[in-house]
Amino acid sequence: NAGVTQTPKFQVLKTGQSMTLQCAQDMNHNSMYWYRQDPGMGLRLIYYSASEGTTDKGEVPNGYNVSRLNKREFSLRLESAAPSQTSVYFCASGVSGGYTFGSGTRLTVV
Amino acid sequence: AQSVTQLGSHVSVSEGALVLLRCNYSSSVPPYLFWYVQYPNQGLQLLLKYTTGATLVKGINGFEAEFKKSETSFHLTKPSAHMSDAAEYFCAVNLNDMRFGAGTRLTVKP
Repeated sequence: NAGVTQTPKFQVLKTGQSMTLQCAQDMNHNSMYWYRQDPGMGLRLIYYSASEGTTDKGEVPNGYNVSRLNKREFSLRLESAAPSQTSVYFCASGVSGGYTFGSGTRLTVV
Repeated sequence: AQSVTQLGSHVSVSEGALVLLRCNYSSSVPPYLFWYVQYPNQGLQLLLKYTTGATLVKGINGFEAEFKKSETSFHLTKPSAHMSDAAEYFCAVNLNDMRFGAGTRLTVKP
């Protein structure tokens, strides 16, 4: 039982480069989420998807785009990476009773 | 709007001592409340949750938390700390999506 799988685990980008973070869940959840984690700030919601075909902005959506490809997959795209996007990114899925998190992607933008 | 405040970014206890991690929430309606634990280089793991019913909630690894509406608090406790409890702990509130506190890093001294 894999739960939530994120790829890649680590990535270094140069300023201005683009990349897509992938996330897949096998728990048949309707809702999926992308968070970023920065020291002293907890986790902040970037985007979420309440169901296949819908996406909504969270607290910190600027500089990101998302795609809910199907019920299982929810990707996060950085079109033009900036040093301020250096962070650890977590994907999660679940319902109001609790989320399951992936193991994270550590992204460094230089 | 909903938010959580965790009092103390770092807490240090001796092995065998009481663990108390503080969390206060702000919400206009009764929220769902959670504690998550994050071990180094891992994703978040659900420790316990309060949705409705009994206000004293028991979780994994001997942790428990009490929902006190009058104090808008949901503090996490464990009677006797173990070395393996060293981790970062996040309080979270969920009305429409999960919002996290800044986290408390727990250190356990031998």
